[in-house]
Amino acid sequence: AQSVTQLGSHVSVSEGALVLLRCNYSSSVPPYLFWYVQYPNQGLQLLLKYTTGATLVKGINGFEAEFKKSETSFHLTKPSAHMSDAAEYFCAVTGAQGGSEKLVFGKGTKLTVNP
Amino acid sequence: GAVVSQHPSRVICKSGTSVKIECRSLDFQATTMFWYRQFPKQSLMLMATSNEGSKATYEQGVEKDKFLINHASLTLSTLTVTSAHPEDSSFYICSASRDSSQPQHFGDGTRLSIL
Repeated sequence: AQSVTQLGSHVSVSEGALVLLRCNYSSSVPPYLFWYVQYPNQGLQLLLKYTTGATLVKGINGFEAEFKKSETSFHLTKPSAHMSDAAEYFCAVTGAQGGSEKLVFGKGTKLTVNP
Repeated sequence: GAVVSQHPSRVICKSGTSVKIECRSLDFQATTMFWYRQFPKQSLMLMATSNEGSKATYEQGVEKDKFLINHASLTLSTLTVTSAHPEDSSFYICSASRDSSQPQHFGDGTRLSIL
């Protein structure tokens, strides 16, 4: 069984500041981890994924995440926030590469970027 | 690449009617499609997994006679909400993947409102 915990349902940062969105997971098998972004009234867009190999994963729009097995974490970061980053972010886990197996999502973190 | 189209984007209808939502993979063949439901300010909950040419696998607590899923081809899956009632109002999102080695790609969702 798998689960995801996203710490902080709301995160607010100033434009240009560091973005840090936290995700901890639980998995009985080696996890595959994902971050998705959702803009209002839209579906989800894949930001980045970790499957195997390098634990620091770079994604689109300047985001990156680091898989830390010892901490069961997969936190999402971006060095400098932009107004367009304001959205809902979901961390998800699966026991496969997310293709044919279901994703288990966290409850989401709403990111607000202040001018 | 990897575009998933969902139609319609918004539906408003009277209680008791049936509503069909389509999910199409536009530039790839999807052996597996997933249907999710998202309540306001909440995460995505998987409703069912749809495999081309076979019956859908429903998650616990999801009424298969209420939410009919058909995956007749490698590019199309449909979700029919039968005899819809106000409590069925929600945001429904589909996703699709080429195969188990590829991540899921999401449609833009359908906002269903039952009056």
